[in-house]
Amino acid sequence: EAQVTQNPRYLITVTGKKLTVTCSQNMNHEYMSWYRQDPGLGLRQIYYSMNVEVTDKGDVPEGYKVSRKEKRNFPLILESPSPNQTSLYFCASSSLAGRNEQFFGPGTRLTVL
Amino acid sequence: GQSLEQPSEVTAVEGAIVQINCTYQTSGFYGLSWYQQHDGGAPTFLSYNGLDGLEETGRFSSFLSRSDSYGYLLLQELQMKDSASYFCAVRTGTASKLTFGTGTRLQVTL
Repeated sequence: EAQVTQNPRYLITVTGKKLTVTCSQNMNHEYMSWYRQDPGLGLRQIYYSMNVEVTDKGDVPEGYKVSRKEKRNFPLILESPSPNQTSLYFCASSSLAGRNEQFFGPGTRLTVL
Repeated sequence: GQSLEQPSEVTAVEGAIVQINCTYQTSGFYGLSWYQQHDGGAPTFLSYNGLDGLEETGRFSSFLSRSDSYGYLLLQELQMKDSASYFCAVRTGTASKLTFGTGTRLQVTL
């Protein structure tokens, strides 16, 4: 089954404790992206990647890091999480030609205390 | 920067037609997409317009006017399962940045 998976689905952590949210897709997509969703603000793009070793900032990259060492994986790293990073996070992927049709993972609900 | 405006809420009765508008201001434009998101779920792709005009996919249609920086999503023969949030999104910049609107919550009533 073609899908985007994220782990963990739920995470409660404390300020300053480094964490990684994993994202993996099995559709051989070149393009992957991370979004955060907050009430009243819609989805905001954090980082995106056009291919292996190619990443770029979205609209809200501060406080986040990403890496793209393999085509299928695109982890999101919060090196020193803060309470304002409490949010619902979505990973998405698409082919380069089909960037208008993105396939989203199930989401990761993160709470930073 | 980019900004998209869409109504925050729309209510319609089952079987009716509803139109959700989206106006945008962007630097560079590579197309307007629409996504649906049910409560507790992930966004799913509905439709895309790269050129002016109407695109139809079953009960859903989407329209774009690039000269007016405006588009809409038209949902026909509304069903209860259409109750969800609908987001417009534009591709901008290097054509790889995707900016979403804040979403329109559609409630379908009997």
